[in-house]
Amino acid sequence: GAVVSQHPSRVICKSGTSVKIECRSLDFQATTMFWYRQFPKKSLMLMATSNEGSKATYEQGVEKDKFLINHASLTLSTLTVTSAHPEDSSFYICSASGAGANNVGDTQYFGPGTRLTVL
Amino acid sequence: AQTVTQSQPEMSVQEAETVTLSCTYDTSESNYYLFWYKQPPSRQMILVIRQEAYKQQNATENRFSVNFQKAAKSFSLKISDSQLGDTAMYFCAFTNYNTDKLIFGTGTRLQVFP
Repeated sequence: GAVVSQHPSRVICKSGTSVKIECRSLDFQATTMFWYRQFPKKSLMLMATSNEGSKATYEQGVEKDKFLINHASLTLSTLTVTSAHPEDSSFYICSASGAGANNVGDTQYFGPGTRLTVL
Repeated sequence: AQTVTQSQPEMSVQEAETVTLSCTYDTSESNYYLFWYKQPPSRQMILVIRQEAYKQQNATENRFSVNFQKAAKSFSLKISDSQLGDTAMYFCAFTNYNTDKLIFGTGTRLQVFP
């Protein structure tokens, strides 16, 4: 299947600072990327959907000024958590979909996730 | 609204045995996709199997197969010859042709015992 990487895998930051998480599709062009948040022992909660070159579409209840998403190329999307607070601590997962040699265009392939801890 | 229901929060199976995980969904769409994803302790989401709604034939991937009952809106996953590495949380998910969004079930935690 298709490979999606995510960096960093783990980050600890102080309250009030901003944190950027990168999501890359390594062997296919990701026309659409998704950002999820997952609480312990819970399912994934979609935060936003982004298409290359256009603004992200945020789910209801997700603050777009707090969670900045940029999908500048067909292989890279970034999520920036601005002015992070302890309640933003969570596991953030990206996924990507798009046609490629090893994947089906309508299927989402997931990154390994980033654990964010805000002190 | 489209929903996905996994009624089994936890399941367990002995190594080499077969286990079936249940999933039902609700939609008024006729064209859609269904997926099973696996999330092991590493928390990496891994695609297990994919089914297109227009296909009557059940999808299979090695030891993994589905029982897709479109009229009943049921999409169960059968794992044959269970292995210790199958221990994970399993999520059933749905998406239709008009949107890329995945709708996830609440997950079933599967424990494979030696």
